[in-house]
Amino acid sequence: KAGVTQTPRYLIKTRGQQVTLSCSPISGHRSVSWYQQTPGQGLQFLFEYFSETQRNKGNFPGRFSGRQFSNSRSEMNVSTLELGDSALYLCASSGRDRGRVGDEAFFGQGTRLTVV
Amino acid sequence: AQTVTQSQPEMSVQEAETVTLSCTYDTSESNYYLFWYKQPPSRQMILVIRQEAYKQQNATENRFSVNFQKAAKSFSLKISDSQLGDTAMYFCAFRSGTYKYIFGTGTRLKVLA
Repeated sequence: KAGVTQTPRYLIKTRGQQVTLSCSPISGHRSVSWYQQTPGQGLQFLFEYFSETQRNKGNFPGRFSGRQFSNSRSEMNVSTLELGDSALYLCASSGRDRGRVGDEAFFGQGTRLTVV
Repeated sequence: AQTVTQSQPEMSVQEAETVTLSCTYDTSESNYYLFWYKQPPSRQMILVIRQEAYKQQNATENRFSVNFQKAAKSFSLKISDSQLGDTAMYFCAFRSGTYKYIFGTGTRLKVLA
């Protein structure tokens, strides 16, 4: 069974530009969540989608947005990029509505975004 | 708000020895789950072990076990018979009902040959 696929793996953008990252969850999974990983801040929760609806949102500015499509694939968009947005962006998918302990989230390998 | 604290930024252990990674958390919720994830240089987050808060019995998975102290809000990971492949970043994580994980800042573990 294919894992969580994130594209692209690496991305270099210029300050002020916008970027879109993609996440394809495991087939049949309906929940997709996003995390930003930086050396200074660790892993920070961005948002979670379930069946095309945003259920949770972390403490990030409105420049960070996302969406989920009917096939559960999710995209994350960052507008007006800043140097501080350079990070590894991880996506995780899971199959159930409300997670019980056995319903682990499976992570992708991430997209490394560098803003110059 | 929930918080997760890992107070050991880096640790090292000799191959075949035992090492314990510390994690404390803070929450007002009564039903939650705790996890240890491993992130090797490949960046793939891999679940190591998980614990339901309402279960008093400590979880074990082969060489990995936890010491879960609910009253103290402590959740440490013990790795027995350490192997070179255990070298990685280890993250302690908290989750309640949905898939919003709260992660600690991680412990970089190096297993020495």
